[in-house]
Amino acid sequence: DTEVTQTPKHLVMGMTNKKSLKCEQHMGHRAMYWYKQKAKKPPELMFVYSYEKLSINESVPSRFSPECPNSSLLNLHLHALQPEDSALYLCASSLTTGGYNQPQHFGDGTRLSIL
Amino acid sequence: GQNIDQPTEMTATEGAIVQINCTYQTSGFNGLFWYQQHAGEAPTFLSYNVLDGLEEKGRFSSFLSRSKGYSYLLLKELQMKDSASYLCAVKGSGNTGKLIFGQGTTLQVKP
Repeated sequence: DTEVTQTPKHLVMGMTNKKSLKCEQHMGHRAMYWYKQKAKKPPELMFVYSYEKLSINESVPSRFSPECPNSSLLNLHLHALQPEDSALYLCASSLTTGGYNQPQHFGDGTRLSIL
Repeated sequence: GQNIDQPTEMTATEGAIVQINCTYQTSGFNGLFWYQQHAGEAPTFLSYNVLDGLEEKGRFSSFLSRSKGYSYLLLKELQMKDSASYLCAVKGSGNTGKLIFGQGTTLQVKP
């Protein structure tokens, strides 16, 4: 079991739908991350939140909208997605973004399919 | 540019030892992480190196040479459950938290 919880585990949505992915951690971590992962590829960073503020947006299309309501929660709002957005979406957290030996802990991911 | 190289696939026999290499060229270095990822599951943290030398954790060890831009993950007494993808990731300079991942090495352990 991972200490980062993601819901839902699977999501199928049409290109006109609006949905949200949720991520929660209770380790007291102040850095949270969204990644996208395609099959047989490494995770690809999308967003970084540090102390509930967005610190990195890796030029992600606006159809993906992150939100960090508090230090334990991270959401990813989805709207008008494309078939190529089908992937595993991983949330991760770490104590902070700086410092040494602060590994990122990953959730099990949401497997997203766009019809 | 920033580049991390690791072999795409490796095969080893149950009970044997396998070494997965990782070479990196990055602008700045704040440590190197190894993660294990089983198919369809989350990456799990295995080890971290920031100083030269060997770090040992049970059956797994990781080595770093900063001057050579080189690391390896050593897995001893291989078990079938070690079949997975192994990701090498470097934390670059600054306090962004950003990790630069290699493409991952898929290890298949055979009986």
